[in-house]
Amino acid sequence: GAGVSQTPSNKVTEKGKYVELRCDPISGHTALYWYRQSLGQGPEFLIYFQGTGAADDSGLPNDRFFAVRPEGSVSTLKIQRTERGDSAVYLCASSSGQVTDTQYFGPGTRLTVL
Amino acid sequence: AQKITQTQPGMFVQEKEAVTLDCTYDTSDPSYGLFWYKQPSSGEMIFLIYQGSYDQQNATEGRYSLNFQKARKSANLVISASQLGDSAMYFCAMREMDSNYQLIWGAGTKLIIKP
Repeated sequence: GAGVSQTPSNKVTEKGKYVELRCDPISGHTALYWYRQSLGQGPEFLIYFQGTGAADDSGLPNDRFFAVRPEGSVSTLKIQRTERGDSAVYLCASSSGQVTDTQYFGPGTRLTVL
Repeated sequence: AQKITQTQPGMFVQEKEAVTLDCTYDTSDPSYGLFWYKQPSSGEMIFLIYQGSYDQQNATEGRYSLNFQKARKSANLVISASQLGDSAMYFCAMREMDSNYQLIWGAGTKLIIKP
């Protein structure tokens, strides 16, 4: 079956602009995660959804970042007033939501803020 | 304090040799899971292998095996008979059961397989 998909694959924007990054999880997966990966580092957790609700948003760096998952499937990560420091690869993962299950990742969106 | 430590920033290995990638972790949660992922230059994070803290045996998946030493808090990945396609970044990650399932990641090891 289809894996996790993310669009766009690349996004270049100017400082101060608003961006939306989309994640389409594996069908039937109730859990969805967003991570951010800066160059040369491991991913950092941003937010976790179980169904439609954000079960843990403790990793969001500030209030410019927001994510939604209105129907419990597709999720959108929204970044307002982008800054150059937001440049990174944004990874989305999904899982079946069980305690011991594995997170499967999408190809990521590379965000560049000029 | 680092929860996941990968001490090898880079490794060169001859094709067909076995390779061990190191990972140590730090947790006080008795229930946790350890994961290894591969990230080729294309950027996608590919799941390789999982070890649960209560698993009695070391996990194996094809050419991948996990050398789990619980008392030493280490979870090294062993790749047997390395292939050119194994060249990639390798990340060790941990999930503590009290942490809302988020993965905590190491800094990664860049593995290059030489022909």
